[in-house]
Amino acid sequence: EVQLVESGGGLVQPGRSLRLSCAASGFTFDDYAMHWVRQAPGKGLEWVSGISWNSGSIGYADSVKGRFTISRDNAKNSLYLQMNSLRAEDTALYYCAKAVTMIVRASIDYWGQGTLVTVSS
Amino acid sequence: EIVLTQSPGTLSLSPGERATLSCRASQSVSSSYLAWYQQKPGQAPRLLIYGASSRATGIPDRFSGSGSGTDFTLTISRLEPEDFAVYYCQQYGSSPVTFGQGTKLEIK
Repeated sequence: EVQLVESGGGLVQPGRSLRLSCAASGFTFDDYAMHWVRQAPGKGLEWVSGISWNSGSIGYADSVKGRFTISRDNAKNSLYLQMNSLRAEDTALYYCAKAVTMIVRASIDYWGQGTLVTVSS
Repeated sequence: EIVLTQSPGTLSLSPGERATLSCRASQSVSSSYLAWYQQKPGQAPRLLIYGASSRATGIPDRFSGSGSGTDFTLTISRLEPEDFAVYYCQQYGSSPVTFGQGTKLEIK
């Protein structure tokens, strides 16, 4: 059974940093691209970032480019999102998600339950 | 960036009726790299359709997707009570990946 378990969310002040982690199990992690998708309270889905199976291809939404960094450790079956210079508008539930194939340009077939990030003073 | 506009914003129908949801892209979606997701309150999204018209594993055949270029449609042939949810389209053919704003399908 595919499991994606996010951690690292919490309350953080504007301008500070936070690192999200996602522990993956139930599939061969290094065969698939991975994504971070967020959802602000009561709002729709927003793609944040994606990374290919070997970290060779990475993409970011314009809203986070230059502030967020996605990475993965295939040896640890883990996905990360380093979030710097956080803003109030980054407040959201952050989902870790698995792509259907090894490239970023693919749909998403599994999602975690999300970790909540709240940016507020 | 490709902007996806979904319509209507809210669709009110009764069980047994047919639902037609639209997703229009601001520019052509390459290779029909268009997916549809269903999200129920308090749950993560679920993949329904990928490649514009291919059903994901375990998705009932009352769900179908069609379209190409800039116009895509999700059709639910006969609504079941569990189909009332929010539906999102997503394009993954161009970077950045983008989602539509969603269509809420509610019980009439």
